[in-house]
Amino acid sequence: DAGVIQSPRHEVTEMGQEVTLRCKPISGHDYLFWYRQTMMRGLELLIYFNNNVPIDDSGMPEDRFSAKMPNASFSTLKIQPSEPRDSAVYFCASSFWAGGTEAFFGQGTRLTVV
Amino acid sequence: QKEVEQNSGPLSVPEGAIASLNCTYSDRGSQSFFWYRQYSGKSPELIMFIYSNGDKEDGRFTAQLNKASQYVSLLIRDSQPSDSATYLCALGGGYNKLIFGAGTRLAVHP
Repeated sequence: DAGVIQSPRHEVTEMGQEVTLRCKPISGHDYLFWYRQTMMRGLELLIYFNNNVPIDDSGMPEDRFSAKMPNASFSTLKIQPSEPRDSAVYFCASSFWAGGTEAFFGQGTRLTVV
Repeated sequence: QKEVEQNSGPLSVPEGAIASLNCTYSDRGSQSFFWYRQYSGKSPELIMFIYSNGDKEDGRFTAQLNKASQYVSLLIRDSQPSDSATYLCALGGGYNKLIFGAGTRLAVHP
């Protein structure tokens, strides 16, 4: 397996534009996590899915953020409209069992909103 | 109070010394604990996990868990410059969340 695959690796967009981040988890993993990492706040859990169903989205900062997982092999995180304070590295991770086993991370998407 | 607390560092140790990284947590219901390493510009990768009180050793790394005191630590023996990275403590929380601390930056100098 190629691991967790995220795209794009880098995204630069203007304030107010829509941004869509994509993630392909490791095949067979039934948990998928979206994290945001900044120097100030560290690695924050935004939302996570179990078997394609959102379990906890309490970390999603605002209604501008939304996430979907239409099937077991694909998830998106959308920001609309984007703001400069959304600039961060966004990681997707997947695991077989969230509480007890290793979560494997993608390479991340570095988002810059100007 | 944050769920997972770590000293941000940097923790600076000489090559060959023991580096001690600490983490405290607030959720007494947590059952699983993880240490991840993150090099600058890279994604986190798992070093060790521990579920039971006591010590768990893996090569130069030892994880220590004390559930009564709600802390978990990571010891790195014979520290090498290649160990210089940010070390993230994580716990498996309620409803199978995986929550991370802010990380401790370790610098091993020759």
